[in-house]
Amino acid sequence: AQSVTQLGSHVSVSEGALVLLRCNYSSSVPPYLFWYVQYPNQGLQLLLKYTTGATLVKGINGFEAEFKKSETSFHLTKPSAHMSDAAEYFCAVTAYSGGGADGLTFGKGTHLIIQP
Amino acid sequence: AAGVIQSPRHLIKEKRETATLKCYPIPRHDTVYWYQQGPGQDPQFLISFYEKMQSDKGSIPDRFSAQQFSDYHSELNMSSLELGDSALYFCASSLAGFEAFFGQGTRLTVV
Repeated sequence: AQSVTQLGSHVSVSEGALVLLRCNYSSSVPPYLFWYVQYPNQGLQLLLKYTTGATLVKGINGFEAEFKKSETSFHLTKPSAHMSDAAEYFCAVTAYSGGGADGLTFGKGTHLIIQP
Repeated sequence: AAGVIQSPRHLIKEKRETATLKCYPIPRHDTVYWYQQGPGQDPQFLISFYEKMQSDKGSIPDRFSAQQFSDYHSELNMSSLELGDSALYFCASSLAGFEAFFGQGTRLTVV
């Protein structure tokens, strides 16, 4: 079984400032980790993913995340926030069971607010 | 590029009615997932299919059922609808499970 904890339901940063969204996971097997972004009344768009290999993964829109097994974390960062980054962000975990990946388990989400 | 297509986009039903949601995955994707997202909630995994066979089951109520057809499209059937079933229902598809692409969702309102 897997679980995800996102610290902070709301995060507010100034435009141009560093964005840091925290995600910790629990998994009994090697996890696959994802960050999704959701704009109001929209579907979920994949920002980036970690499956195997390099622990620092780069995604779209300047976001990146680092998988730290020792800390069971997969925090999302962006060096400089833009107004268009304001959205809901979900961290998710799954495991691959051989017959197709299991369903994603999502965190509760973090609402990112960008202050002008 | 082709994306995951869900229909209808919006649906209004009365309590105790039945609803059928459809999902057309990205061509050549072998896995389909269904999720339910209540207002202000995170998406909750309902059920998934891999190569037309049910592969994983989440918090899907007994009143709901789903299947994947020979052309890989999937349908989520919901019976005896309750007010609490009002939510955004997402379908996602993937190839070998490494990256799930989500559709725009079907917004179901039960009145």
